[in-house]
Amino acid sequence: QVQLQESGPALVKPSQTLSLTCSVSGGSINSGAYHWNWIRQHPGMGLEWIGNIHHNENTHYNPSLRSRIVISINTSKNQFFLNLSSLTAADTAIYYCARRYCTANSCSLFDPWGPGTLVTVSS
Amino acid sequence: QSALTQPASVSGSPGQSITISCTGTSSDIGAYNDVSWYQLHPGKAPKLMIYEVTDRPSGVSNRFSGSKSGNTASLTISGLQAEDEADYYCSSFVSGIWVFGGGTKVTVL
Repeated sequence: QVQLQESGPALVKPSQTLSLTCSVSGGSINSGAYHWNWIRQHPGMGLEWIGNIHHNENTHYNPSLRSRIVISINTSKNQFFLNLSSLTAADTAIYYCARRYCTANSCSLFDPWGPGTLVTVSS
Repeated sequence: QSALTQPASVSGSPGQSITISCTGTSSDIGAYNDVSWYQLHPGKAPKLMIYEVTDRPSGVSNRFSGSKSGNTASLTISGLQAEDEADYYCSSFVSGIWVFGGGTKVTVL
């Protein structure tokens, strides 16, 4: 059973860069069937898709964040990463990692997810 | 404001059925069977409940069902139980990115 776990700092200062890691266990990240995603939830608000990466390192980013994000992958460590730069208080959120895959009619299956990590941007 | 519109809250008594709507447009929900639903409990990993509008992943209770009419997808929870109290989000591929609805808080009275 594949499991995902986010890790990283709980508190970061404005203007700094957030670096998060998603560790994948119970299955290989090096599969062409999956895309590896970052999603966030601002306090009391809805979910926002940040972007994803494939094992071949192809990425797809949310245009609203594209100028500030880099998603990378290390297949030998079964991990993928999020770097989000120029942080502001508006980046305070729970950050989730999730695997996404397709069926015959849909590519919107996010499963499984990690439990999420709360990141607060504050001086 | 999300491109997918959900009611902020829905409530019901144990044993009742409730339905959560997710409204998009004729270019997304109306055009494709590319809608999934997620359950979020605080502090826990979000869980995929429905995909391709109507399909349930293995292990998800058959009390959860999905449907679509026109530009609106719906999630129905039958035989409401206390453990169903959570936030629910729909998702689809809209204008080149994955989008989630604003979320619906389900309260079991």
